[in-house]
Amino acid sequence: DAGVTQSPTHLIKTRGQHVTLRCSPISGHKSVSWYQQVLGQGPQFIFQYYEKEERGRGNFPDRFSARQFPNYSSELNVNALLLGDSALYLCASSKKDNEQFFGPGTRLTVL
Amino acid sequence: AQKVTQAQTEISVVEKEDVTLDCVYETRDTTYYLFWYKQPPSGELVFLIRRNSFDEQNEISGRYSWNFQKSTSSFNFTITASQVVDSAVYFCALSRSGGYQKVTFGIGTKLQVIP
Repeated sequence: DAGVTQSPTHLIKTRGQHVTLRCSPISGHKSVSWYQQVLGQGPQFIFQYYEKEERGRGNFPDRFSARQFPNYSSELNVNALLLGDSALYLCASSKKDNEQFFGPGTRLTVL
Repeated sequence: AQKVTQAQTEISVVEKEDVTLDCVYETRDTTYYLFWYKQPPSGELVFLIRRNSFDEQNEISGRYSWNFQKSTSSFNFTITASQVVDSAVYFCALSRSGGYQKVTFGIGTKLQVIP
C-alpha cells in the first residue's frame, strides 16, 4: 500500500506570496494532520482534520488555513508568506485515534 | 498543557556501543500515548513505537528497547549494538488518547554513530 504522499517536495517563494501544499493520506485513513518543522526543532502541530471537519488547531496565525476533501486528501494554505514560514511541512494520516504515519514533507523556502 | 523534554540534543557513539535516549514528559491527562519517531537525513518521520499509558511493560524489538516508567514520567529508548544506519534525529512525542490527536514532539536528539 502507498504511504502518505505530499506535493510538491520542494518549493521556493518570496515574502508576501501565497502557497498551497497538498497531502494524500494512506488508503482507509480518514484523518489528516499538518505539522511545521523549523530547522533544529521538533514538528509543531498546525491542524487536524477528520471526515472533512477541523478537529484541532495549533497556535498558528490566521494566515494558515487548511481543508480536507471528500477523498480525505488535504491542502494547507499559507497566505502573506514571511521568512519565518520557511520550514519542512509534514502531513500525517491516521485512522481515528491511532498512530500517525507521516509523509516525506514539503520543504518550503521563503526568500 | 503537554510537554516533552529531550535533554540530550546530540549524542555521538562508536559503532556497536549501546546508547540510551532520554525522554521526560508532562501531561495532565490520565490516559495518553507516547511515541518515538526516527527522522533520517531524508526528512521523513519514521514511526518506531506507540505506548499506551495503561501499559508499563517494557518492550523490545530487535536492537531497540523502550523503558516506560510512569512514576518518573519517562519513556527512554535504548539502541543496543548501534550501527551507522541508526544515525538520525530521534523524537519522543506525546498525545492524548481519545478525541482529536494532536501530537506534541520533543526537540529531538541527534544521534551520530561513528564507524
